[in-house]
Amino acid sequence: DAGVTQSPTHLIKTRGQQVTLRCSPISGHKSVSWYQQVLGQGPQFIFQYYEKEERGRGNFPDRFSARQFPNYSSELNVNALLLGDSALYLCASRTGGNYGYTFGSGTRLTVV
Amino acid sequence: AQRVTQPEKLLSVFKGAPVELKCNYSYSGSPELFWYVQYSRQRLQLLLRHISRESIKGFTADLNKGETSFHLKKPFAQEEDSAMYYCALYGGSQGNLIFGKGTKLSVKP
Repeated sequence: DAGVTQSPTHLIKTRGQQVTLRCSPISGHKSVSWYQQVLGQGPQFIFQYYEKEERGRGNFPDRFSARQFPNYSSELNVNALLLGDSALYLCASRTGGNYGYTFGSGTRLTVV
Repeated sequence: AQRVTQPEKLLSVFKGAPVELKCNYSYSGSPELFWYVQYSRQRLQLLLRHISRESIKGFTADLNKGETSFHLKKPFAQEEDSAMYYCALYGGSQGNLIFGKGTKLSVKP
C-alpha cells in the first residue's frame, strides 16, 4: 500500500501565478480532504470531496478550488498566489466513518 | 464554535518521566477526537482515536466530557517520543478535522 501520495513535494512560485497540487488517496478511499499548514500552526481545513462531490469547504478565498476525479484522485488549484499562501499543503484520505484520516507527506509551496 | 485548544506550545521532560499533553475542545454534539503525531521530517500520523480506547506506543487518552478534555498521557517517556503532537476534533457536517496548534514534546536523555 503506497499510502496517500502527493506531488510535487516542493514548489516555488511567483506572486500572481497559479499552482496545481495533486493527490492520490489510498486505494479504496473515496474521501479526500485538503489542509493548509503554515509554520507553527495546526493544519487548517480547505476542502473535502467524497465521491467526486464537494462536501465541505473551509474559510478560504475563492482563489482556492479543487476537484476529485473518477479514480478518486484530487487536485487543488490556487490562483493569483500571494506570499501568504506559502505553506505545507496536506492531502488526506479515508474510507468513511470515524476511522480518522491518513495524511500524505504534503507539498511545500513557497511563493516569492 | 468548534475549537481545539492545546495550551502548551512546548513540553520538555526527561526520559522515564510521565508525560501529559493537554487538549481541550469546544463542540456542541458528541465529539470524535483524535491525536496525531508528526515526527521530524515525517508525515502526520494517526496516533489514537477516542472511540477505540486503544493504547499506541504506550500512549493513552481518555475523553472527559465534563471537562471537555482529551489529554494524552504516557507513564514513562522515551527519547523517540520527541515529536509534534496535534489534537483534532472531527467537525461533523463538513467532514473535516479541526486541529489544535500542536505541542512539541521534547524528551531529554
